[in-house]
Amino acid sequence: TQLLEQSPQFLSIQEGENLTVYCNSSSVFSSLQWYRQEPGEGPVLLVTVVTGGEVKKLKRLTFQFGDARKDSSLHITAAQPGDTGLYLCAGYNTGNQFYFGTGTSLTVIP
Amino acid sequence: NAGVTQTPKFRILKIGQSMTLQCTQDMNHNYMYWYRQDPGMGLKLIYYSVGAGITDKGEVPNGYNVSRSTTEDFPLRLELAAPSQTSVYFCASWRGNGYTFGSGTRLTVV
Repeated sequence: TQLLEQSPQFLSIQEGENLTVYCNSSSVFSSLQWYRQEPGEGPVLLVTVVTGGEVKKLKRLTFQFGDARKDSSLHITAAQPGDTGLYLCAGYNTGNQFYFGTGTSLTVIP
Repeated sequence: NAGVTQTPKFRILKIGQSMTLQCTQDMNHNYMYWYRQDPGMGLKLIYYSVGAGITDKGEVPNGYNVSRSTTEDFPLRLELAAPSQTSVYFCASWRGNGYTFGSGTRLTVV
């Protein structure tokens, strides 16, 4: 059973396009994180959201935590080749168990 | 400012051989973790430790062992390597609001 489902699994877009990646669960999460992983490296933490409805911005990246704290989204504006990587959501459910999502592999074509 | 350091970066093992994956962190974090990452499967927790002398099993502990004699070091031991252990292994420490990962060890068992 995969507690955190990410979609799409793969995404290939042209430089300058916008995109949204989704992280969904049937369970409530007390907090949720987004990581980016580049080839040959470990995941790097981008952001943590803890409040339902919370929106955080990191330059061209906008992260939103769903009102019911069961889902999250990552929106990238004007994607650049440097955004290429594997994006992982992860978080603690209300049972204090930590899970990683299945990941979204993003390729931005120059 | 090394963070989490893993060695080796790559390793090929024959079936039945043993090896130790090394992990050390210089941030004085109590919580440390070992994950394996397989394509399309996300990150699976193997073992974790909440402090020196304390270790516990994660989701996929079979075939692995760990020890935590110091705060800095958290080695992962494979005793009898099997093809199913072919994977990328990540060590991580928890820094209060998220993980700090090492750069990984790519292990192939043939």
